[in-house]
Amino acid sequence: SQQGEEDPQALSIQEGENATMNCSYKTSINNLQWYRQNSGRGLVHLILIRSNEREKHSGRLRVTLDTSKKSSSLLITASRAADTASYFCATETSGSRLTFGEGTQLTVNP
Amino acid sequence: EAGVAQSPRYKIIEKRQSVAFWCNPISGHATLYWYQQILGQGPKLLIQFQNNGVVDDSQLPKDRFSAERLKGVDSTLKIQPAKLEDSAVYLCASSSEIDTEAFFGQGTRLTVV
Repeated sequence: SQQGEEDPQALSIQEGENATMNCSYKTSINNLQWYRQNSGRGLVHLILIRSNEREKHSGRLRVTLDTSKKSSSLLITASRAADTASYFCATETSGSRLTFGEGTQLTVNP
Repeated sequence: EAGVAQSPRYKIIEKRQSVAFWCNPISGHATLYWYQQILGQGPKLLIQFQNNGVVDDSQLPKDRFSAERLKGVDSTLKIQPAKLEDSAVYLCASSSEIDTEAFFGQGTRLTVV
């Protein structure tokens, strides 16, 4: 069974705009991770936020984590056409079990 | 450092045939994962190894799927016999320890006809 659920399933924006994706999960976690997948390729790790952290930044990425609501958000600022991809959240639970959600398909129009 | 290597990249087989996928994780990574990703869906964990021991295989269809990780390094995933619904990308990933990122291979795209 999938642990995380992303929202929205699909998002289409213009270049330069910000993109926000949300993830909800069900059980206690060690950390939550965001991955990116270009069509037909493997997954690439973007950022990891631990259960005792509330916010983390990496370049144009900002991730928040609310363990009381069991939710996380990924913000991509000043989006580019090259950001077009599927974005997945993954939760690491006990025993390093890493479980993915169904993903958000982001399309950035030039 | 070299990434996670998977082979083959593509495989087409007929239903009821058998197939095997191979994964070489990043050197020194104790944890190895196999995922199945059906088109348009997120990766589904099939099996997780810690060194050469199985940590979680609760979603592995054991009547037809098997996996092993000899000597805690390379791993193979086998399907026998294959069904049409096994058509998917099979992803291998590894990580060095708890609470760190996982590194993914490029995957093997399986088509069962």
